[in-house]
Amino acid sequence: DQQVKQNSPSLSVQEGRISILNCDYTNSMFDYFLWYKKYPAEGPTFLISISSIKDKNEDGRFTVFLNKSAKHLSLHIVPSQPGDSAVYFCAASPSTSYGKLTFGQGTILTVHP
Amino acid sequence: DTGVSQDPRHKITKRGQNVTFRCDPISEHNRLYWYRQTLGQGPEFLTYFQNEAQLEKSRLLSDRFSAERPKGSFSTLEIQRTEQGDSAMYLCASGIPGGDEQFFGPGTRLTVL
Repeated sequence: DQQVKQNSPSLSVQEGRISILNCDYTNSMFDYFLWYKKYPAEGPTFLISISSIKDKNEDGRFTVFLNKSAKHLSLHIVPSQPGDSAVYFCAASPSTSYGKLTFGQGTILTVHP
Repeated sequence: DTGVSQDPRHKITKRGQNVTFRCDPISEHNRLYWYRQTLGQGPEFLTYFQNEAQLEKSRLLSDRFSAERPKGSFSTLEIQRTEQGDSAMYLCASGIPGGDEQFFGPGTRLTVL
């Protein structure tokens, strides 16, 4: 039972353009969402998070949008840079928990110069 | 370096052998998590410690797996009688209550022959 789904295994974008990564969830108890980035041979690195009381959170080039009614969130990267090429994981947690994360399968982002 | 460290980074073992991995969290973090990641999937939760208390174990953690955090600092994950299906990346993460994110170590890649 995949409670967090990233349906696009890969995404290819030109440098300077927008990258949009999508994530869907099924568990209504999830109310805290995070995006992690992972380079080969490294552990995941936290990027940005959003609580269900918001529908948008922005940090520099990264913006996360949350649509609670659709149980959908997205990560926008503008402008995309070659150094953004990595695997991006969406993760979710009930805020009442101790922080146990449920991850999606990941999306491989490639930004071409 | 004050990040999460894991040892060893790679482990190759024969089926039926026991293996033990170590995780050193960020020193002021009292929450410690173990996750397992297989190829093409996101990390899956295995177990969680708050200080030295193991508060939750996933059903993925069969009775061949045991984790400890004896003094509330470093943690060990032992797998007894390894099977080929145990081959995966084992990730450790740490965090603080109310913190936005979990900080991941680089992982231990286990290969069972």
